[in-house]
Amino acid sequence: DAGVIQSPRHEVTEMGQEVTLRCKPISGHNSLFWYRQTMMRGLELLIYFNNNVPIDDSGMPEDRFSAKMPNASFSTLKIQPSEPRDSAVYFCASSLSGVREKLFFGSGTQLSVL
Amino acid sequence: KNEVEQSPQNLTAQEGEFITINCSYSVGISALHWLQQHPGGGIVSLFMLSSGKKKHGRLIATINIQEKHSSLHITASHPRDSAVYICAVRIQGGSEKLVFGKGTKLTVNP
Repeated sequence: DAGVIQSPRHEVTEMGQEVTLRCKPISGHNSLFWYRQTMMRGLELLIYFNNNVPIDDSGMPEDRFSAKMPNASFSTLKIQPSEPRDSAVYFCASSLSGVREKLFFGSGTQLSVL
Repeated sequence: KNEVEQSPQNLTAQEGEFITINCSYSVGISALHWLQQHPGGGIVSLFMLSSGKKKHGRLIATINIQEKHSSLHITASHPRDSAVYICAVRIQGGSEKLVFGKGTKLTVNP
């Protein structure tokens, strides 16, 4: 298996633009997580899906953020409109069953909003 | 006060030394993760523990549920072990949200 695949690796955009981050989890994993990492706040959970259904989105900062998981092999995290304070590394991770199992992380997307 | 505290924040060692990184938490937990983040930024899960001890190669992770403490040990450290090591816990009865420590930056010099 290729592991968790995220794209793009780097994204530079201007304030106000829409940004879409993509994630392909490991086949057979039923849990998918989106995390954000900043120097100030470290790693934070944005949203958790189980069997493609959003279970906990309490970490989504505001309505500008949205996430979807249309099927078991694909998820997106969208920011519209983007702001400079959204600049961070966004990680997708998957597991067999929540955080009671080992997590497998993607390589992350480094987002810079100018 | 953070629910998850790691020590030390920074650690420098010479190649071959035995390394210990500590993680203390203040709440009841059902699982604890040790993660490794390399300078390039990628995150690898090293261990998931709910009790006892786990070993993988030169890495050993232990947890004492009663004392609310976990340790990550690295034997015969090597420069390639240089990374940030992050402890994260799943709070008992809680959701699938992990609470993360701030990480321990380890540098192993040749």
